[in-house]
Amino acid sequence: AQTVTQSQPEMSVQEAETVTLSCTYDTSESDYYLFWYKQPPSRQMILVIRQEAYKQQNATENRFSVNFQKAAKSFSLKISDSQLGDAAMYFCAYRSAIWGGSEKLVFGKGTKLTVNP
Amino acid sequence: GAVVSQHPSWVICKSGTSVKIECRSLDFQATTMFWYRQFPKQSLMLMATSNEGSKATYEQGVEKDKFLINHASLTLSTLTVTSAHPEDSSFYICSANSGGGLAAYNEQFFGPGTRLTVL
Repeated sequence: AQTVTQSQPEMSVQEAETVTLSCTYDTSESDYYLFWYKQPPSRQMILVIRQEAYKQQNATENRFSVNFQKAAKSFSLKISDSQLGDAAMYFCAYRSAIWGGSEKLVFGKGTKLTVNP
Repeated sequence: GAVVSQHPSWVICKSGTSVKIECRSLDFQATTMFWYRQFPKQSLMLMATSNEGSKATYEQGVEKDKFLINHASLTLSTLTVTSAHPEDSSFYICSANSGGGLAAYNEQFFGPGTRLTVL
């Protein structure tokens, strides 16, 4: 079974600074997707960024980028120029990409990010 | 992006009663929907996977008779908490996959959640 581990229960960052959230995962599958989701106080889950395992290039979405290290099974999220609106719970998630495989998302326990003005 | 709605957003009920939560994909057809439960300050726990026209697949430890899931159409799935008790109080979130379920990637869109309080 696949597992996702987020070792930082809480992180804080100063507004306009950069912060990196860690995520490691374990799987025996060769093809999969990795995600970072944001859950603000409203509790609406919002997709931040997605990485396909077969792609070597790290995904980037504006101020959000990932450092995907497939061999190390590591998938960290970097938030640049942090804004107050970035304050939220961040969940790392895994999903199989095997044809006909499970479409379930496996979530980590989350990291609470606080942005200080 | 695609929109998933949930109704109601908040419900309070008496112990012993049943509560139905609806999950709708508003602008796309979803062959697969998922139901999660989230306790305060914790991660999402998958309860079951719901496929249109077939029985839901429940995760280990989730009581099938307690949490009834029906996926009657490509845009609607319902979760009924039967004979609710205070320990069932939680935040319930649904999600729906876009696409036909056969493609390599179908993005999963989340509903806004339903807060259930059982007195």
